[in-house]
This record gives sequence, structure tokens and C-alpha cells, in this order.
Amino acid sequence: DVKVTQSSRYLVKRTGEKVFLECVQDMDHENMFWYRQDPGLGLRLIYFSYDVKMKEKGDIPEGYSVSREKKERFSLILESASTNQTSMYLCASSQDSDIRDNEQFFGPGTRLTVL
Amino acid sequence: AQSVTQLDSQVPVFEEAPVELRCNYSSSVSVYLFWYVQYPNQGLQLLLKYLSGSTLVESINGFEAEFNKSQTSFHLRKPSVHISDTAEYFCALLDGNTDKLIFGTGTRLQVFP
Repeated sequence: DVKVTQSSRYLVKRTGEKVFLECVQDMDHENMFWYRQDPGLGLRLIYFSYDVKMKEKGDIPEGYSVSREKKERFSLILESASTNQTSMYLCASSQDSDIRDNEQFFGPGTRLTVL
Repeated sequence: AQSVTQLDSQVPVFEEAPVELRCNYSSSVSVYLFWYVQYPNQGLQLLLKYLSGSTLVESINGFEAEFNKSQTSFHLRKPSVHISDTAEYFCALLDGNTDKLIFGTGTRLQVFP
């Protein structure tokens, strides 16, 4: 079974703090993604990565950065957390292959609260 | 631009009743469609997908969805729901060039006894 794990289920931080959200997948997937999920807005893509050290902006990258130093790990960084970044953050991974194998597998999510 | 619309934010139903969760898409290229389910306090799990071939696709727990190109729809149906189907359901469109998923805003299905 593909497993995508996220370092924390719940996180509480103060405004202005630097926040790291970690995601690890164990299936040697090339693609990794970070989404945020908000009520009424669904999932919105923040950043994604096709390979080690590669990153692409998604639909809402402002206020975030990412790091992919190893294939299995994709980190989301909030340089200076703000209250409007309070949200559920979901990580996903997928193979870079034929469309039939291109299912995205999701982690359990990290619920971040910024006070 | 590609987009996905889920018209119903919440769908309340009684147990054993039929249900339909609506999804419409907009795409000018090849269409690959997915339904994901999110149970309370969990991540998303793939429910079913349409890539090509038969327009009717089924999941292992009794859900089915039909790809309708003329109506640009991919509605999710189940003839008889259970309490355990209570969850949020997301329709998504895959951009085959970038591997990015475009999600709808989700439909919360609540099944009452």
C-alpha cells in the first residue's frame, strides 16, 4: 500500500513564526503536491514538484515556499505565519507515468491554527 | 480554462435512500475525471475514476459515476446509502499535461438513520 505521512495532525503556531510541514511518501513517486483545504473552497494547489530540487507554483503560492531535497520528502514552509493561513494542509504524491497510473495518494492532513 | 463545479455543498439523505452528487466540468482537452472521498478527520481516498472506455465506472462500495460528454457531467450515484457513507466527496479533473488535479468545492453527504 502506498503510504503518505505528514509530520503532525494538529499544529498551533503564533503569528510571525516560521512553520515547517513535512510530508514523506514511501512509493518512490516522482510527483508530490501540497494543497490547502478550506470550507466552501475545496482543495487549492499551493506548490508541486516533479522531481528532486524541482518545484512549480500552484494556484496560491503566496506566503509559502517548498523544499524537495530527497525524492521521498516534500516540505512546505510558511516563512512568517499569518492568521489567514489557518487551514487544513494536505500532501499528495503520484507516479510520473502513463495516465492510467496517475492516481494521487493523499496524506491524513495537518490542521494548522495560527493565533 | 479547465474547471470543476459541484453544485451542492450539502446533501442530507436518510439511510437506504438513493443519492446523486452532481459534478460538471469544463475542459477543452482530453478529460480524466475522479471522485475522491474524505471521511471525518482523514485524508482523501480515491473512490473511482474515468480515464477512457466505458462511460460507467463503479467503486467497490456500491457507488457509480457516468461520464456524459454532451452534458459535461460526471455525477456520482448510489442506489441505497449507509450511515457509513457520511463524508465529503470531491470531484476532480486531471490536467494530463501537468499531472495537476483541479478540484471542485466538495459536497458534504450526511446520511441520517
